[in-house]
Amino acid sequence: DAKTTQPPSMDCAEGRAANLPCNHSTISGNEYVYWYRQIHSQGPQYIIHGLKNNETNEMASLIITEDRKSSTLILPHATLRDTAVYYCIVRVGDDKIIFGKGTRLHILP
Amino acid sequence: KAGVTQTPRYLIKTRGQQVTLSCSPISGHRSVSWYQQTPGQGLQFLFEYFSETQRNKGNFPGRFSGRQFSNSRSEMNVSTLELGDSALYLCASSLAPDIGYGYTFGSGTRLTVV
Repeated sequence: DAKTTQPPSMDCAEGRAANLPCNHSTISGNEYVYWYRQIHSQGPQYIIHGLKNNETNEMASLIITEDRKSSTLILPHATLRDTAVYYCIVRVGDDKIIFGKGTRLHILP
Repeated sequence: KAGVTQTPRYLIKTRGQQVTLSCSPISGHRSVSWYQQTPGQGLQFLFEYFSETQRNKGNFPGRFSGRQFSNSRSEMNVSTLELGDSALYLCASSLAPDIGYGYTFGSGTRLTVV
């Protein structure tokens, strides 16, 4: 079973920052937080991952709380192409990747 | 470089038949995972192969099987098809199982069982 809890859906205005929360209160010390997204009719796409420090790449930023029990994925300037289902996953080492239900993000023009 | 290639893209089969789906990973990737996606259950893990060995298996009946070849290409087989097997089947490849950020997914094979 997935070890994360995400809101089923969110809306964000185009051009604004999209902040997607994820709760992983039972995360263990060696588990990483990964984010993937799935655009309609495509396979999931890796976005970003982190262990305890905040991370940023060309797609997004990942903010992990100090106690590591929750995190937030930030898309700084959302566009219509960011409309997708976003999955937050916790995973240790070489364990299998288990997807939960994810958050369906709607970008509003 | 070429991405993950899944063939065929679409497939229609009859109940009771069997089906084989193929996945060609990115060149150099040795880990292949398979997922089933349905509207009701979402993305569910089927199995994972690395260096021709099955490392992990999800909670699916024995009708679902897979294998990986020495060139890292993978196939999955479903025997005695049921209507509930209608789904999008996705495979993902990675350099190795512990590189979670490197999982690249294919576009999937959409299987319809009638």
